[in-house]
Amino acid sequence: EAGVTQFPSHSVIEKGQTVTLRCDPISGHDNLYWYRRVMGKEIKFLLHFVKESKQDESGMPNNRFLAERTGGTYSTLKVQPAELEDSGVYFCASSHVIRGQGFNGYTFGSGTRLTVV
Amino acid sequence: GQSLEQPSEVTAVEGAIVQINCTYQTSGFYGLSWYQQHDGGAPTFLSYNGLDGLEETGRFSSFLSRSDSYGYLLLQELQMKDSASYFCAVRDTRTGRRALTFGSGTRLQVQP
Repeated sequence: EAGVTQFPSHSVIEKGQTVTLRCDPISGHDNLYWYRRVMGKEIKFLLHFVKESKQDESGMPNNRFLAERTGGTYSTLKVQPAELEDSGVYFCASSHVIRGQGFNGYTFGSGTRLTVV
Repeated sequence: GQSLEQPSEVTAVEGAIVQINCTYQTSGFYGLSWYQQHDGGAPTFLSYNGLDGLEETGRFSSFLSRSDSYGYLLLQELQMKDSASYFCAVRDTRTGRRALTFGSGTRLQVQP
């Protein structure tokens, strides 16, 4: 099966501009997560979708970040306007719960490296 | 709040065994996971411990002690390709049963 795909792989934008990141999860995975790693620090949770609904967005840093998952398939994460501190690697992950099979981990995409200059 | 502590760097030689420790503090706990990430790549799931004890998957093993809030990842017969960052992560009640809180990662360098 195809893995989690993220686009673009790299993005360099100026402060104040808008950037939209896209994530295509594994087909059929209801759970989709966004994470961010800034400057070699820990990978931090941003938010969690179950199908098209936001299950938990407690990790979103501020209202400049907007995530959507229309139709419960792919997701977008928009940063508007971007600030210098938004630079980092944004990871998307997906998972699917199968009753009785326990926890099988998440499948991560390769990330989008965002640089705000 | 939630926090995980793991060493920032570990160096070992090919063929050796290395243990990467992780201690955690969470408001609730539903399991400890380990992920491997090569530079520029996706974090890749290695193992999960929901209960105390040892889980073995090939050259990799992971251990959990819930009473000590402690776990470790054991890598045996190290190979050069094992050079990567390793993250421990917990599922906790704050972010929901499926979202993860990660440690800062341990950079493993395997030398010839």
